[in-house]
Amino acid sequence: AQKVTQAQTEISVVEKEDVTLDCVYETRDTTYYLFWYKQPPSGELVFLIRRNSFDEQNEISGRYSWNFQKSTSSFNFTITASQVVDSAVYFCALSEASSYNTDKLIFGTGTRLQVFP
Amino acid sequence: SQTIHQWPATLVQPVGSPLSLECTVEGTSNPNLYWYRQAAGRGLQLLFYSVGIGQISSEVPQNLSASRPQDRQFILSSKKLLLSDSGFYLCAWSARDPLYEQYFGPGTRLTVT
Repeated sequence: AQKVTQAQTEISVVEKEDVTLDCVYETRDTTYYLFWYKQPPSGELVFLIRRNSFDEQNEISGRYSWNFQKSTSSFNFTITASQVVDSAVYFCALSEASSYNTDKLIFGTGTRLQVFP
Repeated sequence: SQTIHQWPATLVQPVGSPLSLECTVEGTSNPNLYWYRQAAGRGLQLLFYSVGIGQISSEVPQNLSASRPQDRQFILSSKKLLLSDSGFYLCAWSARDPLYEQYFGPGTRLTVT
Protein backbone atom coordinates (compact mmCIF):
# COMPACT_ATOMS: atom_id res chain seq x y z
CA ALA A 1 0.00 0.00 0.00
CA GLN A 2 1.10 3.54 -0.63
CA LYS A 3 1.78 5.69 2.36
CA VAL A 4 3.47 8.95 3.31
CA THR A 5 4.76 9.51 6.82
CA GLN A 6 5.66 12.87 8.28
CA ALA A 7 6.72 11.97 11.78
CA GLN A 8 7.29 15.55 12.90
CA THR A 9 3.94 16.96 13.94
CA GLU A 10 5.23 20.39 14.89
CA ILE A 11 8.57 22.15 14.75
CA SER A 12 9.44 25.50 16.28
CA VAL A 13 12.54 27.45 15.36
CA VAL A 14 13.86 30.94 15.73
CA GLU A 15 14.31 33.08 12.66
CA LYS A 16 17.49 32.42 10.68
CA GLU A 17 17.78 28.86 11.89
CA ASP A 18 17.88 26.05 9.34
CA VAL A 19 15.13 23.47 9.60
CA THR A 20 14.56 20.10 7.92
CA LEU A 21 11.15 18.56 7.45
CA ASP A 22 11.20 14.79 7.08
CA CYS A 23 9.12 12.72 4.68
CA VAL A 24 9.22 8.95 4.33
CA TYR A 25 7.13 7.17 1.73
CA GLU A 26 6.08 3.66 0.84
CA THR A 27 5.15 2.45 -2.61
CA ARG A 28 5.38 -0.67 -4.74
CA ASP A 29 5.46 1.33 -7.95
CA THR A 30 8.75 1.88 -9.72
CA THR A 31 7.43 5.06 -11.29
CA TYR A 32 6.03 7.66 -8.97
CA TYR A 33 6.16 11.33 -8.11
CA LEU A 34 6.78 13.08 -4.85
CA PHE A 35 5.54 16.55 -3.96
CA TRP A 36 5.79 19.16 -1.27
CA TYR A 37 3.00 21.65 -0.56
CA LYS A 38 2.85 24.59 1.80
CA GLN A 39 -0.36 25.54 3.60
CA PRO A 40 -0.11 29.01 5.14
CA PRO A 41 -2.68 30.19 7.70
CA SER A 42 -4.95 31.34 4.87
CA GLY A 43 -5.55 27.66 4.07
CA GLU A 44 -4.75 27.40 0.38
CA LEU A 45 -2.23 24.72 -0.50
CA VAL A 46 0.69 26.05 -2.48
CA PHE A 47 2.66 23.70 -4.70
CA LEU A 48 6.40 23.81 -4.01
CA ILE A 49 8.09 21.00 -5.89
CA ARG A 50 7.61 17.80 -7.84
CA ARG A 51 10.23 15.08 -8.14
CA ASN A 52 9.94 11.90 -10.18
CA SER A 53 11.29 8.57 -9.05
CA PHE A 54 14.02 8.47 -11.65
CA ASP A 55 15.58 11.76 -10.67
CA GLU A 56 17.48 11.59 -7.41
CA GLN A 57 19.29 14.85 -7.88
CA ASN A 58 18.86 17.22 -5.02
CA GLU A 59 17.21 20.50 -5.85
CA ILE A 60 17.73 23.97 -4.51
CA SER A 61 15.41 26.91 -4.98
CA GLY A 62 16.50 29.96 -3.06
CA ARG A 63 16.35 29.09 0.64
CA TYR A 64 14.56 25.82 -0.08
CA SER A 65 16.28 22.54 -0.85
CA TRP A 66 15.09 18.99 -1.24
CA ASN A 67 16.97 15.74 -0.63
CA PHE A 68 15.52 12.70 -2.39
CA GLN A 69 16.99 9.32 -1.41
CA LYS A 70 15.39 6.22 -2.86
CA SER A 71 17.58 3.98 -0.70
CA THR A 72 15.83 5.23 2.41
CA SER A 73 12.51 6.17 0.71
CA SER A 74 12.84 9.70 1.93
CA PHE A 75 12.19 13.11 0.42
CA ASN A 76 13.27 15.67 2.99
CA PHE A 77 12.78 19.41 2.76
CA THR A 78 15.21 21.92 4.23
CA ILE A 79 14.62 25.62 4.73
CA THR A 80 17.81 27.59 5.19
CA ALA A 81 17.80 30.77 7.25
CA SER A 82 14.13 30.43 8.09
CA GLN A 83 11.87 33.45 8.16
CA VAL A 84 8.60 34.19 9.92
CA VAL A 85 6.81 33.96 6.57
CA ASP A 86 7.84 30.31 6.38
CA SER A 87 5.42 29.54 9.20
CA ALA A 88 2.89 27.12 7.75
CA VAL A 89 1.90 23.49 7.59
CA TYR A 90 3.96 21.57 5.06
CA PHE A 91 2.65 18.46 3.37
CA CYS A 92 4.57 15.79 1.55
CA ALA A 93 2.63 13.78 -1.03
CA LEU A 94 3.06 10.77 -3.29
CA SER A 95 1.32 10.24 -6.60
CA GLU A 96 -0.59 7.10 -7.38
CA ALA A 97 -1.25 6.33 -11.01
CA SER A 98 -4.38 4.43 -11.85
CA SER A 99 -6.12 3.08 -14.89
CA TYR A 100 -8.53 5.98 -14.77
CA ASN A 101 -5.95 8.37 -16.11
CA THR A 102 -5.90 10.42 -12.98
CA ASP A 103 -3.18 11.28 -10.56
CA LYS A 104 -4.34 10.69 -7.02
CA LEU A 105 -2.14 12.17 -4.35
CA ILE A 106 -1.45 10.41 -1.08
CA PHE A 107 -0.73 13.08 1.53
CA GLY A 108 1.19 12.85 4.74
CA THR A 109 -0.37 14.29 7.87
CA GLY A 110 1.70 17.45 7.61
CA THR A 111 4.30 19.21 9.73
CA ARG A 112 3.44 22.51 11.33
CA LEU A 113 6.42 24.84 11.25
CA GLN A 114 6.47 27.88 13.48
CA VAL A 115 9.23 30.40 12.98
CA PHE A 116 9.59 32.91 15.78
CA PRO A 117 11.23 36.30 15.36
CA SER B 1 -2.60 31.47 -16.60
CA GLN B 2 -4.85 29.06 -14.76
CA THR B 3 -7.04 30.10 -11.86
CA ILE B 4 -9.25 28.06 -9.59
CA HIS B 5 -12.16 29.54 -7.69
CA GLN B 6 -14.21 28.21 -4.84
CA TRP B 7 -17.25 29.59 -3.13
CA PRO B 8 -18.43 30.30 -0.65
CA ALA B 9 -15.32 30.95 1.41
CA THR B 10 -17.06 30.16 4.67
CA LEU B 11 -20.36 28.53 5.48
CA VAL B 12 -22.26 27.76 8.65
CA GLN B 13 -25.09 25.30 8.20
CA PRO B 14 -27.39 23.45 10.62
CA VAL B 15 -27.43 19.68 10.81
CA GLY B 16 -29.79 18.22 8.25
CA SER B 17 -29.58 21.10 5.83
CA PRO B 18 -28.42 20.71 2.21
CA LEU B 19 -25.03 21.71 0.91
CA SER B 20 -23.67 22.93 -2.38
CA LEU B 21 -20.06 23.99 -2.83
CA GLU B 22 -18.84 25.10 -6.20
CA CYS B 23 -15.45 25.05 -7.85
CA THR B 24 -14.52 26.46 -11.24
CA VAL B 25 -11.26 26.48 -13.13
CA GLU B 26 -10.18 29.03 -15.69
CA GLY B 27 -7.43 28.96 -18.26
CA THR B 28 -7.27 25.25 -18.96
CA SER B 29 -9.33 22.59 -20.75
CA ASN B 30 -10.12 18.99 -19.82
CA PRO B 31 -8.63 19.18 -16.35
CA ASN B 32 -8.83 16.46 -13.77
CA LEU B 33 -10.77 17.80 -10.81
CA TYR B 34 -10.63 16.80 -7.16
CA TRP B 35 -12.46 17.45 -3.89
CA TYR B 36 -10.58 17.08 -0.62
CA ARG B 37 -11.63 17.54 2.97
CA GLN B 38 -9.33 18.57 5.76
CA ALA B 39 -10.61 18.10 9.31
CA ALA B 40 -9.24 20.49 11.92
CA GLY B 41 -5.55 19.84 12.53
CA ARG B 42 -5.44 16.85 10.22
CA GLY B 43 -4.28 15.87 6.76
CA LEU B 44 -6.15 15.91 3.50
CA GLN B 45 -8.66 13.27 2.56
CA LEU B 46 -9.57 12.79 -1.09
CA LEU B 47 -13.34 12.66 -1.46
CA PHE B 48 -14.01 12.66 -5.20
CA TYR B 49 -12.18 13.02 -8.45
CA SER B 50 -13.32 13.50 -12.00
CA VAL B 51 -11.61 12.94 -15.33
CA GLY B 52 -14.40 14.42 -17.43
CA ILE B 53 -17.94 15.75 -17.59
CA GLY B 54 -20.28 13.44 -15.75
CA GLN B 55 -17.44 11.13 -14.67
CA ILE B 56 -17.14 11.01 -10.90
CA SER B 57 -15.20 8.59 -8.74
CA SER B 58 -15.79 8.40 -5.02
CA GLU B 59 -12.99 7.59 -2.65
CA VAL B 60 -14.83 7.47 0.65
CA PRO B 61 -18.43 6.42 1.25
CA GLN B 62 -20.33 9.22 2.95
CA ASN B 63 -23.40 11.38 2.61
CA LEU B 64 -21.66 13.67 0.12
CA SER B 65 -21.89 13.57 -3.63
CA ALA B 66 -20.14 15.35 -6.48
CA SER B 67 -21.11 16.38 -9.96
CA ARG B 68 -19.34 17.82 -12.96
CA PRO B 69 -21.93 19.48 -15.19
CA GLN B 70 -19.36 21.36 -17.26
CA ASP B 71 -15.74 20.75 -18.16
CA ARG B 72 -14.37 23.25 -15.67
CA GLN B 73 -17.05 23.12 -12.98
CA PHE B 74 -17.08 20.74 -10.04
CA ILE B 75 -19.81 20.73 -7.40
CA LEU B 76 -19.87 19.08 -4.01
CA SER B 77 -23.31 18.44 -2.53
CA SER B 78 -25.15 16.90 0.34
CA LYS B 79 -28.85 16.42 0.93
CA LYS B 80 -28.53 16.40 4.72
CA LEU B 81 -25.43 17.58 6.52
CA LEU B 82 -23.99 15.79 9.54
CA LEU B 83 -21.88 17.30 12.29
CA SER B 84 -18.98 15.21 11.02
CA ASP B 85 -19.13 17.02 7.68
CA SER B 86 -17.53 20.08 9.25
CA GLY B 87 -14.12 20.84 7.84
CA PHE B 88 -12.12 22.66 5.24
CA TYR B 89 -13.02 21.66 1.71
CA LEU B 90 -10.47 22.10 -1.01
CA CYS B 91 -10.94 21.78 -4.74
CA ALA B 92 -7.95 21.05 -6.95
CA TRP B 93 -7.18 20.56 -10.61
CA SER B 94 -4.40 18.91 -12.55
CA ALA B 95 -3.55 18.76 -16.21
CA ARG B 96 -4.72 15.60 -17.93
CA ASP B 97 -1.60 15.17 -19.96
CA PRO B 98 0.94 15.03 -18.57
CA LEU B 99 -0.21 14.04 -15.11
CA TYR B 100 1.62 16.16 -12.69
CA GLU B 101 0.98 18.34 -9.70
CA GLN B 102 -2.40 19.42 -8.47
CA TYR B 103 -3.23 23.06 -7.91
CA PHE B 104 -5.58 23.96 -5.13
CA GLY B 105 -8.29 26.53 -4.69
CA PRO B 106 -8.66 28.82 -1.68
CA GLY B 107 -11.00 26.41 0.11
CA THR B 108 -14.37 26.57 1.85
CA ARG B 109 -14.55 26.38 5.60
CA LEU B 110 -17.76 24.57 6.55
CA THR B 111 -19.13 24.48 10.07
CA VAL B 112 -22.12 22.29 10.73
CA THR B 113 -23.96 23.28 13.89
